[in-house]
Amino acid sequence: AQSVTQLGSHVSVSEGALVLLRCNYSSSVPPYLFWYVQYPNQGLQLLLKYTSAATLVKGINGFEAEFKKSETSFHLTKPSAHMSDAAEYFCAVKSGGSYIPTFGRGTSLIVHP
Amino acid sequence: EADIYQTPRYLVIGTGKKITLECSQTMGHDKMYWYQQDPGMELHLIHYSYGVNSTEKGDLSSESTVSRIRTEHFPLTLESARPSHTSQYLCASSEPGQGIYEQYFGPGTRLTVT
Repeated sequence: AQSVTQLGSHVSVSEGALVLLRCNYSSSVPPYLFWYVQYPNQGLQLLLKYTSAATLVKGINGFEAEFKKSETSFHLTKPSAHMSDAAEYFCAVKSGGSYIPTFGRGTSLIVHP
Repeated sequence: EADIYQTPRYLVIGTGKKITLECSQTMGHDKMYWYQQDPGMELHLIHYSYGVNSTEKGDLSSESTVSRIRTEHFPLTLESARPSHTSQYLCASSEPGQGIYEQYFGPGTRLTVT
């Protein structure tokens, strides 16, 4: 069984501030982990993925995430928020033997000028 | 380039009508999926397909049906639309990619049943 918990349904930051979106997972086997972004009226777009090659994963738009096995976490960060980062962010986990990921409830990122 | 298309993007329809939401991908992916997404909620898997002539129901009970006659096409049909079907419907596909099965999503269809 696998599950994902995203802490905080809304995160609000000022433009230029650090972005931190939290994701904790549970998986009975080594997981694959993903962060997706969804802009209004669009589908989900892959930001980055963890596939066991490296614990620090860099993605698009300046985002990165660090896999911490001991904490079962895969938090998403960006050093400096931009207005265009305002969107819904979804964390997902998939075990190696499955075709189907489990998604978290999503975190809405709000960026203030 | 990853391309997956959904039509229509927006649909407003009356109760009792039959509707089909179209989804097509040009990547030759075997695996395809339909998700239902309500505002501020997680994605709920309603149908998936491993390949041609293979379809399965997902975690969320749905009154919709799907078909997979061609690899690139995975339409979803509601025989009789109800207001409870009002939602956003997202189609996705995935390729093995060394077992990772990263998903690619279409832009979604926002359905309103009046």
